[in-house]
Amino acid sequence: QVQLVQSGAEVKKPGASVKVSCKASGYTFTSYGISWVRQAPGQGLEWMGWISAYNGNTNYAQKLQGRVTMTTDTSTSTAYMELRSLRSDDTAVYYCAREGVYDILTGYFYYYGMDVWGQGTTVTVSS
Amino acid sequence: DIQMTQSPSSLSASVGDRVTITCRASQGISNYLAWYQQKPGKVPKLLIYAASTLQSGVPSRFSGSGSGTDFTLTISSLQPEDVATYYCQKYNSALSTFGQGTRLEIK
Repeated sequence: QVQLVQSGAEVKKPGASVKVSCKASGYTFTSYGISWVRQAPGQGLEWMGWISAYNGNTNYAQKLQGRVTMTTDTSTSTAYMELRSLRSDDTAVYYCAREGVYDILTGYFYYYGMDVWGQGTTVTVSS
Repeated sequence: DIQMTQSPSSLSASVGDRVTITCRASQGISNYLAWYQQKPGKVPKLLIYAASTLQSGVPSRFSGSGSGTDFTLTISSLQPEDVATYYCQKYNSALSTFGQGTRLEIK
């Protein structure tokens, strides 16, 4: 079945970096994009960015520009999200989600919402 | 940046009630809008995309409407399992924004 499986919980100190993985299975990885979304304790959903698994193109939320990097490894169907210079307000559950279908005929992505989600990775930033 | 504003922030309704949640975009977004349901402690679930298209497997009591700047999510007959927080999301060109969420409880 189609699924995204994320790496385990992380505890980091302020100023450190974290890299979360998201392994896809059950579909053609390079035909879709992956979005990353986070949710601080008791708060709403925050979109962090999106990466094309077809060619690695990225779009990041403006507030995270310069601190976040999203990558993919097509040989293992895995997406990664690295966040640097961690602060206490980066404490959150981080989700990956499949979003966007690549149409090879037109060369465009078409969007139908985030239809498959990972189970979430808790990242705690604390001294 | 386009902002998404949901209302109300929370609501309480009785089983069987018709419930409507609204989402307003600060600029026109055509129909590039999705709705998600997140039950306590669970992963968000896609309910509707393209403003009004029901995701496969989602009960037909859920419906969406709207275009441009004003959108609604309607639950035609509220069920106990619908207790959750609901989020709208605008998406286009791989740039997304979520609304702040609407918490739905049973009265």
